[in-house]
Amino acid sequence: EVQLVETGGGLVQPGKSLKLTCATSGFTFSNAWMHWVRQSPEKQLEWVAQIKAKSNNYATYYAESVKGRFTISRDDSKSSVYLQMNSLKEEDTAIYYCTTRVYLDYWGQGVMVTVSS
Amino acid sequence: DVVMTQTPVSLPVSLGGQASISCRSSQSLVHSNGNTYLHWYLQKPGQSPQLLIYRVSNRFSGVPDRFSGSGSGTDFTLKISRVEPEDLGDYYCLQSTHFPYTFGAGTKLELK
Repeated sequence: EVQLVETGGGLVQPGKSLKLTCATSGFTFSNAWMHWVRQSPEKQLEWVAQIKAKSNNYATYYAESVKGRFTISRDDSKSSVYLQMNSLKEEDTAIYYCTTRVYLDYWGQGVMVTVSS
Repeated sequence: DVVMTQTPVSLPVSLGGQASISCRSSQSLVHSNGNTYLHWYLQKPGQSPQLLIYRVSNRFSGVPDRFSGSGSGTDFTLKISRVEPEDLGDYYCLQSTHFPYTFGAGTKLELK
């Protein structure tokens, strides 16, 4: 059974940092492209970042809204993917989901990030 | 960015009835490799999105054949026949042909 579990969310002040972790199991993580997607309080889904597999040189891609502030990374030995979020803004407030592979076929339960003073 | 225009915003249906959701893209979703990366997701209340249809018309594992996808180029449709209570929720289309990937704004399928 495929499982993805996000942790690390919480309440943070604008300008501060937070790191999300997604621990996975039930599929061959080392071959899988991984993504972070967020959902705003208005329920709009926004793709945030992608990291490809070692065979693709761990290439990364970002939404313009987070480029230069967020960093996606992975640890294949731990079957985990991470999202380092710096210089957080109020508009980054959302539920953050990690999701798998080419078609975003499995999703975690999500973790809430609230950016507010 | 590719804009995904999803209609309608809200779709009242009767149980056992049929529903149709449209998703139009601001540019062609045909990839240079010939594939079209247009997918459909359902988000049930209080849950994460779940993949229903990938690459226009392919049902994901475990998805009932009441769900079907069609379309090409910039115009795509999700049809649900014989609507059941577990089909209610928010439906989203996603294009992953072009970076950044973009979602439609969603369609709420609700009881009439």
